[in-house]
Amino acid sequence: DSGVTQTPKHLITATGQRVTLRCSPRSGDLSVYWYQQSLDQGLQFLIQYYNGEERAKGNILERFSAQQFPDLHSELNLSSLELGDSALYFCASSPTGQTFGNSPLHFGNGTRLTVT
Amino acid sequence: AQSVTQLGSHVSVSEGALVLLRCNYSSSVPPYLFWYVQYPNQGLQLLLKYTTGATLVKGINGFEAEFKKSETSFHLTKPSAHMSDAAEYFCAVSGTGTASKLTFGTGTRLQVTL
Repeated sequence: DSGVTQTPKHLITATGQRVTLRCSPRSGDLSVYWYQQSLDQGLQFLIQYYNGEERAKGNILERFSAQQFPDLHSELNLSSLELGDSALYFCASSPTGQTFGNSPLHFGNGTRLTVT
Repeated sequence: AQSVTQLGSHVSVSEGALVLLRCNYSSSVPPYLFWYVQYPNQGLQLLLKYTTGATLVKGINGFEAEFKKSETSFHLTKPSAHMSDAAEYFCAVSGTGTASKLTFGTGTRLQVTL
C-alpha cells in the first residue's frame, strides 16, 4: 500500500461530460503529480502541485484543470470529454517538490476513466 | 529535456532465467534514473534509482541496474526470474533541477513462463 488514495476506481461517462478525480497524498507529502496512462501515449505527465501551488505543467489539455486544497488533497477536473480521454489517471505524491532523486514518487492505484 | 527509450515492449523469459530489460536515456544534464514496476490493477512502485555515486544500483525483489554513461544506458537485470516478476516495467529519467519532470518510457511487459 503506497498510502496514496484515489477515488473513484472506475468512472464511465459520456462524451461532452465533466468528471472530477480525487487524490489524497501520503501523510506528510506536499507534492501531488497527475499522470495519464493510455495504450497509445504511455505515461504522460499532466501537472504537479506543491503545497497548494502549481509547480510544473506537462501535456495537460486546456479542457483539463487541477487544484490542490489546503488539506493537500488534489482534484483533477476533466471537461468536454472525448473518446480519446479514456485512460488510466494516476496520482502520485512525494514529500518535496524539489527533485526526484531524493524523493521518489509514490503512486496511487489509479482511476480508470471510460468515455463512451 | 530528458527522454528514455525502452527496447522491447514485450519480453518473455522462463522461470529461473536471466531477466534483462533495456533502457537508454537522453539527457542534456546529469540524469537521475529510475525503474518502476506496475503489477496488474495497481499503481507504479519504485524498484530502484540512480542519482549519484555507485553505478551499480540494487533494488527490491533482487533487481539491479547499472548506469553506463558511455552507453547512455540503464538496463535492469535479475539473475533468476520468478513467476511473481510478471508485470510491466517502466524506466524513467529526470533532471536534477527543482523544476525537473519525471519522464517515463513506454514500458516493457515481462512475461515469465514455466
